[in-house]
Parts: sequence; C-alpha cells; structure tokens
Amino acid sequence: QLQLQESGPGLVKPSETLSLTCTVSGGSISSSSYYWGWIRQPPGKGLEWIGSIYYSGSTYYNPSLKSRATISVDTSKSQFSLKLSSVTAADTAVYYCARQRVYLGAWGQGTLVTVSS
Amino acid sequence: EIVLTQSPGTLSLSPGERATLSCRASQSVSSSYLAWYQQKPGQAPRLLIYGASSRATGIPDRFSGSGSGTDFTLTISRLEPEDFAVYYCQQYGSSPLLTFGPGTKVDIK
Repeated sequence: QLQLQESGPGLVKPSETLSLTCTVSGGSISSSSYYWGWIRQPPGKGLEWIGSIYYSGSTYYNPSLKSRATISVDTSKSQFSLKLSSVTAADTAVYYCARQRVYLGAWGQGTLVTVSS
Repeated sequence: EIVLTQSPGTLSLSPGERATLSCRASQSVSSSYLAWYQQKPGQAPRLLIYGASSRATGIPDRFSGSGSGTDFTLTISRLEPEDFAVYYCQQYGSSPLLTFGPGTKVDIK
C-alpha cells in the first residue's frame, strides 16, 4: 500500500527558506503514470496546489507563488522535496505531499509549518 | 484561470438525509478532470470521486458525482455519521494546473 510521509522543520523564520521532504514507500516514485505534488492548507482555510514533479524532473508550479517554490526529486531515495523561499506569515500552513494524476489519489498526513520569528 | 465556486458554504442536515453539493466552474471543465475530496478535522483530504462520476477505491456507493461543462454535483444519498466533513471539488488542466473550490461543510443539524 502506497504511503507518503512529509518531514521537515515545523518552524521557519520570516525571509528564510522552508524545506520539506516527502518519502514515498509501498510504490515506485519512478512510475511513468504519476506526478508527485505539494499542496498546502493555511489554518482554517482551503487547499492550494503548490506544484508537482515527474520522476524525470519535469516540474509544474502555481504561478501565484511567484517563482518562490522549487520542487526536486531523488529517485534513489524515493523522495521528492519542496523549497519555498522568502517565507512570510502567510506561508504558515499544513503542507501535504500527494501522488498526482489529474487528481490527487494518495496523500501524506501533512505537516504544519509555522513562519514566525 | 478557472475559478471553482462551491455552494452552499455550509449544509446542515441530519443523518439519513440526502446531501446535494454544487461545484460551478468559471469556464468549461472536461468531465475527466473534475474530482471531489472529503476532509475531516485533522486529516488529509481523501479522494472520493474522479472523472466527475467515478468512485475512488473503497468509497461507498452512497457517494455519487455527476455533471458536465461548468456545473458538477456531489450527492450523498443517505448521510452516515462519518460523512459530516468538508468537501472540496478540484479541476485539472488550466494554469494553475490544479485548483480547488473553497469547500462545502456538511454539519449535523
């Protein structure tokens, strides 16, 4: 059974870079059928797709993040990662990783990242 | 950008009742690219419906999806206690690649 697990610091200072990793188990991150995505949810609010990556390294991003987001993949470790630069309090959210096709069929449990000094 | 609008914002119903949730798109969405999710407090969203009307693995048949073009509907035929949650629709295909509606909360009357 496919499992995704987010990991990374729960607290990031304003203007710094948020870094998260998603570890995929129970399935191949190199599958040609899927992209791997990041989604976030500010406390009490809705869902926002951040971007996604194919095992080959092809990426798509949400333009709303104005090029602050970078997603990378390490197939040897079955991991993909998110970096979000120049964070502000508005980036405080639960961050989810997910397996993506035209929908998001499997999700990690999510990790809360708070931006605060 | 395709904007998804969900209505109502909150739906107050009793167990056993039928729930009808609406998702309207600002432009036509391919039925293949419309999905619905359920989210309970403290949990990740769970895929319910993809392709507008196909149930995901393990989803009970009391959940059904329909619609085309700009109007889509999620129906829960008879609400069970575990169905009280927030429901999101999602479209795929225009920039940004994936967008979500704001959600409909189904709570206990």
